[in-house]
Amino acid sequence: QKEVEQDPGPLSVPEGAIVSLNCTYSNSAFQYFMWYRQYSRKGPELLMYTYSSGNKEDGRFTAQVDKSSKYISLFIRDSQPSDSATYLCAMSGVNAGNMLTFGGGTRLMVKP
Amino acid sequence: DGGITQSPKYLFRKEGQNVTLSCEQNLNHDAMYWYRQDPGQGLRLIYYSQIVNDFQKGDIAEGYSVSREKKESFPLTVTSAQKNPTAFYLCASSTRAKEGEQYFGPGTRLTVT
Repeated sequence: QKEVEQDPGPLSVPEGAIVSLNCTYSNSAFQYFMWYRQYSRKGPELLMYTYSSGNKEDGRFTAQVDKSSKYISLFIRDSQPSDSATYLCAMSGVNAGNMLTFGGGTRLMVKP
Repeated sequence: DGGITQSPKYLFRKEGQNVTLSCEQNLNHDAMYWYRQDPGQGLRLIYYSQIVNDFQKGDIAEGYSVSREKKESFPLTVTSAQKNPTAFYLCASSTRAKEGEQYFGPGTRLTVT
């Protein structure tokens, strides 16, 4: 079993839909949770960074962490075709030397 | 304009040849990382360096080598010992000020035939 599981998709939604992307994990030591967006043939771009449990909102994006369930989510409101990309979740533990464990990524397609 | 640069963007080599991928950052980050990404897969860590003149193997270091002579630079050599070198290679860097937050370069796509 992988430490971080992520549905590979593809997830296809119409423009304007609310998108929910999720990751589950098994290591209870993870405290830092990140979401990266990766366009085709490009490097990942840091989208959201959260520490411990709770929600964080940034524009159309909301990151949610539920440590009791070992489950994190990224919500995208009013999705746009420009949101079409692969979304990678990543996690790190305290004093882990900045080492990240990545999910496999979910490919999202937003159709106009 | 701060960031991470990787060159070249595309690289083609014949089997049996060593090849070196460049990674430079001007973010003043202490730590640098090399990842490999295969189609439809997540990132796998090859090597990382927390400080100049020191580096450690990641999960898939076999067939790769690195050096860290300068804070800004962390080149990766893909040797002929790497069984399946064709992949997308990503370099990243991070600062100790923000635990776990890594910034990535644009990547180098290596094709070996």
